[in-house]
Amino acid sequence: QKEVEQDPGPLSVPEGAIVSLNCTYSNSAFQYFMWYRQYSRKGPELLMYTYSSGNKEDGRFTAQVDKSSKYISLFIRDSQPSDSATYLCAMSGVSNFGNEKLTFGTGTRLTIIP
Amino acid sequence: EAGVAQSPRYKIIEKRQSVAFWCNPISGHATLYWYQQILGQGPKLLIQFQNNGVVDDSQLPKDRFSAERLKGVDSTLKIQPAKLEDSAVYLCASSSSLNTEAFFGQGTRLTVV
Repeated sequence: QKEVEQDPGPLSVPEGAIVSLNCTYSNSAFQYFMWYRQYSRKGPELLMYTYSSGNKEDGRFTAQVDKSSKYISLFIRDSQPSDSATYLCAMSGVSNFGNEKLTFGTGTRLTIIP
Repeated sequence: EAGVAQSPRYKIIEKRQSVAFWCNPISGHATLYWYQQILGQGPKLLIQFQNNGVVDDSQLPKDRFSAERLKGVDSTLKIQPAKLEDSAVYLCASSSSLNTEAFFGQGTRLTVV
């Protein structure tokens, strides 16, 4: 079983729709949760960073963490064509090997249709 | 604040040749990561440094890959000899400490033919 599971998509939604992206994880030691956006041929760009359970909002983006269910989500409101990218979830904390590292999901490819 | 710098951006080599990538992290960032991202997949950690010490290199193919971080700043990742399956984007990232957000460079796209 992978430590972090993410539906690879692809996901296509019309402009203006609400987008929901999700990841599940198995390592209960993960404490820090991140969402990255990656455009084609670019490096990942940090979008949201949260610690432990709860919600965090930044403009049109909301990150949600549910540690009891080992489930994190990213919501995008009023989606725009410029939001078309691959979205990667990432998390860190003490790994199964006893040290700390950043572990990524496989990424969800999102397309916003004008 | 300058971001993470990587070079070269693109590299094409033949199998069994050697190649090296360079990374300059954000100034003051103690933690440096090298990730391998194969097309259609998420980044996979190859090696993680804290200053100039290795924190995690459990997924680094040590028979062909090596990395160093001299003086706890710049880092180089080397592959010798390269295989076809090494074709990927090699991403460098840095963070100010363990368990804080990591910032990525643009990556080096390696094609092995």
